[in-house]
Amino acid sequence: KAGVTQTPRYLIKTRGQQVTLSCSPISGHRSVSWYQQTPGQGLQFLFEYFSETQRNKGNFPGRFSGRQFSNSRSEMNVSTLELGDSALYLCASSLGLAGSNSYEQYFGPGTRLTVT
Amino acid sequence: AQSVSQHNHHVILSEAASLELGCNYSYGGTVNLFWYVQYPGQHLQLLLKYFSGDPLVKGIKGFEAEFIKSKFSFNLRKPSVQWSDTAEYFCAVNPAYSSASKIIFGSGTRLSIRP
Repeated sequence: KAGVTQTPRYLIKTRGQQVTLSCSPISGHRSVSWYQQTPGQGLQFLFEYFSETQRNKGNFPGRFSGRQFSNSRSEMNVSTLELGDSALYLCASSLGLAGSNSYEQYFGPGTRLTVT
Repeated sequence: AQSVSQHNHHVILSEAASLELGCNYSYGGTVNLFWYVQYPGQHLQLLLKYFSGDPLVKGIKGFEAEFIKSKFSFNLRKPSVQWSDTAEYFCAVNPAYSSASKIIFGSGTRLSIRP
């Protein structure tokens, strides 16, 4: 079974631009979560989608948004990029929703975003 | 609000030493607990998980963790570490039975093994 894939793997953007990251979950997984990983803040939860609906959201500004398609693939968008948005963005998929006993996340390799 | 504490930021051990990494959480209800590992240059991988039942759970690569409800702890252990265990280890907590729950990760513990 193929793992979680994320594209692109690396991205360099300028302040003020916007960016879209893509995540393809493991086949059959309906939950997709996004995280921001930085050396100072660790892993911070952005949001979780399940069956095309956002089920949970972390404490990030509205510049961070996402969506999920009917095939469970998900995209994350960051608008008006700031220097502090430089981070590794991780996507994880799970068969079940957070809180259930089928909630076991499989992580992708991440997209390394650098904002200059 | 729920939180997860990993008090050891960096642990250095020699090969064959025993390992225990601490994880404490704050949440009053039923929780699902996880340990993830991130080897250098690799994805985050699930080491082990606890949902219910026996509080001593065994994971991959000889790791185990014990859930002590009264102490809100889920410490990770390995009796004899190897150089290949060098990695960053993350504890995570997710309130159970709530579809609105979030998973919270600890700040991670970097483990360095001296050959």
